[in-house]
Amino acid sequence: DAKTTQPPSMDCAEGRAANLPCNHSTISGNEYVYWYRQIHSQGPQYIIHGLKNNETNEMASLIITEDRKSSTLILPHATLRDTAVYYCIVIRHNAGNMLTFGGGTRLMVKP
Amino acid sequence: DTAVSQTPKYLVTQMGNDKSIKCEQNLGHDTMYWYKQDSKKFLKIMFSYNNKELIINETVPNRFSPKSPDKAHLNLHINSLELGDSAVYFCASSPQGLSGANVLTFGAGSRLTVL
Repeated sequence: DAKTTQPPSMDCAEGRAANLPCNHSTISGNEYVYWYRQIHSQGPQYIIHGLKNNETNEMASLIITEDRKSSTLILPHATLRDTAVYYCIVIRHNAGNMLTFGGGTRLMVKP
Repeated sequence: DTAVSQTPKYLVTQMGNDKSIKCEQNLGHDTMYWYKQDSKKFLKIMFSYNNKELIINETVPNRFSPKSPDKAHLNLHINSLELGDSAVYFCASSPQGLSGANVLTFGAGSRLTVL
């Protein structure tokens, strides 16, 4: 599975959009981009995933570049409860069910 | 109703003991997992299991063994506990199929402390 690179930490003002980048320059054609987050003292939580088209759900939007070598997770109106570590994962569907988590980005939403 | 529940939430025990952590999911999912999160907060896959196949991360010592009495349960047994086993252990589950296999639902975690 392709390796991902994320900034270790970011700050965002409450109410503003949080844009979390992820580089995955070695992504293969059959690999998807998944985003999870882990709020302090909780289990990881699935956010969104996509292949090549932009995706949106009730939690976030996922923008994938045309060459698929990078993506951005957007939280449109960040709240204090969005403070968490955000993980970008690139993996094939049915990849033996061995989803692995890297270092992630620690997002701090400030009042 | 909690989708993925783990018990106990906290477990303190002595080195050399054998302990178990239980996990149950009520989502009807086909695959269950165990993850370990160490003091540096790295989250590592230990096992992936469905009724057909057990996949083991090769770095997991054989003192750790998953046991599944049925599709809704995957318990983690640890023999001869060591200090380095202290961590938070997360259970998770996911549905089968191309669209859902990587969408995991996690439990709240079980914090194991070995003294």
